[in-house]
Amino acid sequence: GQSLEQPSEVTAVEGAIVQINCTYQTSGFYGLSWYQQHDGGAPTFLSYNALDGLEETGRFSSFLSRSDSYGYLLLQELQMKDSASYFCAVSRASGTYKYIFGTGTRLKVLA
Amino acid sequence: DADVTQTPRNRITKTGKRIMLECSQTKGHDRMYWYRQDPGLGLRLIYYSFDVKDINKGEISDGYSVSRQAQAKFSLSLESAIPNQTALYFCATSESGANTGELFFGEGSRLTVL
Repeated sequence: GQSLEQPSEVTAVEGAIVQINCTYQTSGFYGLSWYQQHDGGAPTFLSYNALDGLEETGRFSSFLSRSDSYGYLLLQELQMKDSASYFCAVSRASGTYKYIFGTGTRLKVLA
Repeated sequence: DADVTQTPRNRITKTGKRIMLECSQTKGHDRMYWYRQDPGLGLRLIYYSFDVKDINKGEISDGYSVSRQAQAKFSLSLESAIPNQTALYFCATSESGANTGELFFGEGSRLTVL
């Protein structure tokens, strides 16, 4: 089987930097994705790491280390609009591209 | 207009009723998925399909069935709904032949089973 674990909740202040971790117990996956979901909305794609290392997209960066079974999403210069839930997901290998999601982290940004 | 459209957006039904949730997409993607979201449990995969003739069970397929009527349409059915199927359901699509790590989600269908 596979599982992806995330902290359930993280709180930070506006302008700060926050890191949301994702540890996994799965093998044979193509890469690690991150999604953002606002209350009442659909998940939207943020970033993808096919290879180990850091990927940067504006204020958001994502990191993957397969040897440590670990990844994280880094949000810089936090804004109130970043208050949302964040999910990591692996795209599973073995000839299929099905996506398995973590349980999600709720980020609260305080003024 | 949304690229991935789900109907209905909200539905309240009674135990034992048959329910169908429909998903259509204009993205031209071959791969389509149905997920269920419950508080604290994230998104769990129910069924997925990589083309019209390919249907696969996900993590939690019991109590559900699907139909891929065309490349653009993928329906989820609950043959006899039960209260613990109350949840938010999402349809999603992805490109074939490219591992971009990106799913495109519909707006969700909120189902309540009384």
